[in-house]
Amino acid sequence: GQNIDQPTEMTATEGAIVQINCTYQTSGFNGLFWYQQHAGEAPTFLSYNVLDGLEEKGRFSSFLSRSKGYSYLLLKELQMKDSASYLCAVSLSGYSTLTFGKGTMLLVSP
Amino acid sequence: GAVVSQHPSWVICKSGTSVKIECRSLDFQATTMFWYRQFPKQSLMLMATSNEGSKATYEQGVEKDKFLINHASLTLSTLTVTSAHPEDSSFYICSARAMSGGRYEQYFGPGTRLTVT
Repeated sequence: GQNIDQPTEMTATEGAIVQINCTYQTSGFNGLFWYQQHAGEAPTFLSYNVLDGLEEKGRFSSFLSRSKGYSYLLLKELQMKDSASYLCAVSLSGYSTLTFGKGTMLLVSP
Repeated sequence: GAVVSQHPSWVICKSGTSVKIECRSLDFQATTMFWYRQFPKQSLMLMATSNEGSKATYEQGVEKDKFLINHASLTLSTLTVTSAHPEDSSFYICSARAMSGGRYEQYFGPGTRLTVT
């Protein structure tokens, strides 16, 4: 079966930096996605990694190590609106849907 | 960008009745759409993959006779929850797949909150 692990909850303060880790063991790999989901809303796309290394996009960066089955999402200069659930998802193949982790609930406090 | 809509955004129905949820890709054609269910504080669980013009592929444990999926056109997929029960109350999210920048991306609809009383 497919296994994607992320911490359940994390807390951080406004202005700080937080790193959300994701490890995966899957039968295939065609890329790793990070989504942000606010309560009661659909997920919104944050980042995509298919090759090893760091992808930076504004305050958000995502890292991938395929050999280690590991990724992290780095959020800088945290804002209150960043309080949300962050979902790590793996695409098993080019034609498959995404397999999601259980999500990490991030709470940003003043 | 690619936009996916869902209708209704929320619905309350009585136990035993059926509810239809529509998922539309507004500015692109989607040969494949996916239906997810999400319970409170849990992740998205794939229910089925909907392919235009053919039968949906259901995930293990999902009753195909209870969750009827129709993908009649390249822009519309529907999910009908038949004989709904309170345990079917959940957040249902669809997504549509489209090519973007040389890879497939999934675009999510805003979700439909179903409450069965």
